[in-house]
Amino acid sequence: AQKITQTQPGMFVQEKEAVTLDCTYDTSDPSYGLFWYKQPSSGEMIFLIYQGSYDQQNATEGRYSLNFQKARKSANLVISASQLGDSAMYFCAMREGRRAGSYQLTFGKGTKLSVIP
Amino acid sequence: NAGVMQNPRHLVRRRGQEARLRCSPMKGHSHVYWYRQLPEEGLKFMVYLQKENIIDESGMPKERFSAEFPKEGPSILRIQQVVRGDSAAYFCASSPGRGLDGYTFGSGTRLTVV
Repeated sequence: AQKITQTQPGMFVQEKEAVTLDCTYDTSDPSYGLFWYKQPSSGEMIFLIYQGSYDQQNATEGRYSLNFQKARKSANLVISASQLGDSAMYFCAMREGRRAGSYQLTFGKGTKLSVIP
Repeated sequence: NAGVMQNPRHLVRRRGQEARLRCSPMKGHSHVYWYRQLPEEGLKFMVYLQKENIIDESGMPKERFSAEFPKEGPSILRIQQVVRGDSAAYFCASSPGRGLDGYTFGSGTRLTVV
């Protein structure tokens, strides 16, 4: 079974609108962390936001927030007030196991976001 | 403080040649991880190295691929006798210790096999 599932291959959003990118995950480990990365056309991987499985509150970083629903095993990324520069591939990733020893990330296949002026 | 440096950014090799990809970790980082991104896919873990040691190579193909992180110099991912299916983006990440704190990716090397 896929550990990270991103069901939206492509998404369009109007500039200044909010958009939600879906991510569901599968793990039996009680300790895990979820990451979102942005990959623009230039190719680099840019870290956006992190949510730990024991974190009580949803993570936020500027215009990025993570809608973490633990029972549903989903960790959707919400981008508010979309900008043209948000057009990119977005990857959800997970690390399993105790944070101190975990070093491997498992990635989903990504969602291509296009922001329309 | 320079980030994780990967070179070359783009590499073209003919089938059967060798490809050498280099990764210089961030200053103060002694742990290096290599990932491969096939077209239309997410990144997949290949190998984890510390200086002079391979810690986990569970994601490395059994043949033709090797990695090293010598005492001096960058980490090297080496692919011998490349085939078309090796065409991908190869990313390196580094961290100061074992684990994901401070985990930083480089910009990747795009290998094209012709």
